[in-house]
Amino acid sequence: EAGVAQSPRYKIIEKRQSVAFWCNPISGHATLYWYQQILGQGPKLLIQFQNNGVVDDSQLPKDRFSAERLKGVDSTLKIQPAKLEDSAVYLCASSLAILGQGVYGYTFGSGTRLTVV
Amino acid sequence: DAKTTQPPSMDCAEGRAANLPCNHSTISGNEYVYWYRQIHSQGPQYIIHGLKNNETNEMASLIITEDRKSSTLILPHATLRDTAVYYCIVRVWRAGANSKLTFGKGITLSVRP
Repeated sequence: EAGVAQSPRYKIIEKRQSVAFWCNPISGHATLYWYQQILGQGPKLLIQFQNNGVVDDSQLPKDRFSAERLKGVDSTLKIQPAKLEDSAVYLCASSLAILGQGVYGYTFGSGTRLTVV
Repeated sequence: DAKTTQPPSMDCAEGRAANLPCNHSTISGNEYVYWYRQIHSQGPQYIIHGLKNNETNEMASLIITEDRKSSTLILPHATLRDTAVYYCIVRVWRAGANSKLTFGKGITLSVRP
């Protein structure tokens, strides 16, 4: 099966500019996650969607970060305006979560490496 | 915060078994132990998970102590391609808001020729 697709693979922007990342999850996976991974650290969850609804966005810096999943399939994560500390790899993951049962097939994409200069 | 503790790094010789330890002393009865690994410039990759019984698949074996407070991931014959950061994570199985994976810093395994 096709994996989680992310684009672009790399992005370099100046501080205060805006940037957007795109993710297409595995077909049929209703749950989608965006993670931020700063160099030397483990990934940190930014936001979790169930279909097109937000389940958890408690660690999303909402003053500058936004995310949407309008049709319950692909998703976009945006940063506006970017700061130097936003330099990181942004990972998208998806899973098949069956209500009342378990979470299956939790799979990550290769990520987008953002450098803010 | 991550509910697991792992040493920051370890190494092993190619062809030998790599035993990666993890402590999860506050694990709850409904939480599973998951292991993921992240090879340089890639996203994390699922390896194995278990509740209380030892588990084995084509990639690795997972040994969980009887009190479930610690576990060991075993790569039976490490190769250079196994050099990666390995994350031990505890998480409930049931789908919902707590289905996310919470990562710590992991353990960096270096396999030497």
